[in-house]
Amino acid sequence: EVQLVESGGGLVQPGGSLRLSCAASGFTFSSYEMNWVRQAPGKGLEWVSYISSSGSTIYYADSVKGRFTISRDNAKNSLYLQMNSLRAEDTAVYYCARSSGGLLETSPYDYWGQGTLVTVSS
Amino acid sequence: SYELTQPLSVSVALGQTARITCGGNNIGSKNVHWYQQKPGQAPVLVIYRDSNRPSGIPERFSGSNSGNTATLTISRAQAGDEADYYCQVWDSSTGGVFGGGTKLTVL
Repeated sequence: EVQLVESGGGLVQPGGSLRLSCAASGFTFSSYEMNWVRQAPGKGLEWVSYISSSGSTIYYADSVKGRFTISRDNAKNSLYLQMNSLRAEDTAVYYCARSSGGLLETSPYDYWGQGTLVTVSS
Repeated sequence: SYELTQPLSVSVALGQTARITCGGNNIGSKNVHWYQQKPGQAPVLVIYRDSNRPSGIPERFSGSNSGNTATLTISRAQAGDEADYYCQVWDSSTGGVFGGGTKLTVL
């Protein structure tokens, strides 16, 4: 059974940093591209970042570019999101989501974790 | 940047057909995916690449995509279909793009 479990969320002050983790199991993690998607309270879904299976290709949403860093450790079956210079508008539930495979343009997010809440507030 | 537009809400009578639209510039040239999200839960993929259903998704869910509009159709709507629905595409300039979401109410 495919499982994605996020951790690392919490309360952080504006300007602070946080590192999210996503532990994957039930599939060959190193073969799949991964994403972070977030959802602000009461709002819609927002794609945050993508990383290829090897980690060689990375994309970010403009809203987080230069502040967030996505990475992965295939030996540990884990995905990460380093978040720096956090702002109030970064407050959201952060989901890790697996891309199903194939071309970026055709690949949906077929499995999602349950999410971890990040609150940026003083 | 590429944008997707969805109606904020759609209502459907129990047992009738609901249609949720997703508008975007020449969206017919892109692959559209649809997700269902119930309160307090993670999103679930219900349609991928315009019109394909993942295993476990009822045949009542279908999709189409042409021109500037993609449509998710839910036939014989049930109370359990009440949820928020999001369309999504990948745009080479913007990255992953989600529509704003549509709240489906089954009356």
